[in-house]
Amino acid sequence: EAGVTQFPSHSVIEKGQTVTLRCDPISGHDNLYWYRRVMGKEIKFLLHFVKESKQDESGMPNNRFLAERTGGTYSTLKVQPAELEDSGVYFCASSQFLPSFSGSSNEQFFGPGTRLTVL
Amino acid sequence: KNEVEQSPQNLTAQEGEFITINCSYSVGISALHWLQQHPGGGIVSLFMLSSGKKKHGRLIATINIQEKHSSLHITASHPRDSAVYICAGYLGSQGNLIFGKGTKLSVKP
Repeated sequence: EAGVTQFPSHSVIEKGQTVTLRCDPISGHDNLYWYRRVMGKEIKFLLHFVKESKQDESGMPNNRFLAERTGGTYSTLKVQPAELEDSGVYFCASSQFLPSFSGSSNEQFFGPGTRLTVL
Repeated sequence: KNEVEQSPQNLTAQEGEFITINCSYSVGISALHWLQQHPGGGIVSLFMLSSGKKKHGRLIATINIQEKHSSLHITASHPRDSAVYICAGYLGSQGNLIFGKGTKLSVKP
């Protein structure tokens, strides 16, 4: 079974340009998460989709970031216009179910990440 | 404030040594995820646990809910264990993770 895939693996753009990152979750996984690590910092949550709905987007830095998950399959994260501080590694993760703490749990599977460099 | 604190930040060990990485977390975090990232590689899930202990091969993860503390142990460490180990806490029931800064482990032959 294919894991979580992300495209592109690397992207170098200039400040002010637009970039779109794509994440393909594991088939059948309703939950899709976007995370980001900027240089020297810990990974931080951006947003969470359940199927095509945004469940929580409290981690999105500002309105230059737009995430979509049309049809509840793959997701895109668009940055427009990109700024220098947007540079970092963007990870996507998916899970079939939400965590269940009383019994068996359902872990998140991570993609390889997209390294974004804004010059 | 919801936090996950890891220690140590960096760890160098000789092959064969027993390794422990610690993670402390704040109120509001219900379960923990231990993750591994090799240089240039993606993030791999090692364990997800909310109580007790889990073991997989040479890796053991424990969690103490009362003390809000978890440990990741590696027995008979090997150079291929060299990686960044990340502790991440589940905030609430939606699966949003709060990450520690990671522990960079280097195992020398």
